[in-house]
Amino acid sequence: QQPVQSPQAVILREGEDAVINCSSSKALYSVHWYRQKHGEAPVFLMILLKGGEQKGHDKISASFNEKKQQSSLYLTASQLSYSGTYFCGTEDPSGGSYIPTFGRGTSLIVHP
Amino acid sequence: EAQVTQNPRYLITVTGKKLTVTCSQNMNHEYMSWYRQDPGLGLRQIYYSMNVEVTDKGDVPEGYKVSRKEKRNFPLILESPSPNQTSLYFCASSLAGDNQPQHFGDGTRLSIL
Repeated sequence: QQPVQSPQAVILREGEDAVINCSSSKALYSVHWYRQKHGEAPVFLMILLKGGEQKGHDKISASFNEKKQQSSLYLTASQLSYSGTYFCGTEDPSGGSYIPTFGRGTSLIVHP
Repeated sequence: EAQVTQNPRYLITVTGKKLTVTCSQNMNHEYMSWYRQDPGLGLRQIYYSMNVEVTDKGDVPEGYKVSRKEKRNFPLILESPSPNQTSLYFCASSLAGDNQPQHFGDGTRLSIL
């Protein structure tokens, strides 16, 4: 079952902040975040683990709220290079797979 | 260079003509998977494989077949393609176990007329 991302789209000016949320109806095991630039493959940003340990990208931060079954990706002081579509993915070991299921994506556009 | 290679990158074909999209990775990854990407629907998982000779259905497996005869290869087969399978397809691979980053191929854009 796909996690739910919000908002669907964000339009910013350079230097502004953005938050992208990812929620699941199931208990979260871990959350992956990826960015896809237009015409390219998704690229790994980070993984949020149960218990709060964070892996990955050090220019963009994220949080993991087990109780709310939600993860949030924080992009501060946005740069033009942040533009793209952001996907969260959730693992569901109860279903037998550690391969993530992805949400519908959030399109981020950063203007000069 | 570590990579996931998909072929072809682009294909236009007709309804009912069998086609295969190949996927190969050189990172000795155990896990491989196929996704399709459609506007507004995100990345939807078609099939995945956690080991050689082991494959499982994802969320949208209808109309697709896969095989995993070797660790490095995971081809996607459309036996009788239909226009609703027109999409952008991505293959991905990762190490075994939890919390492993997915490495994506560059994508294959399929148009079924």
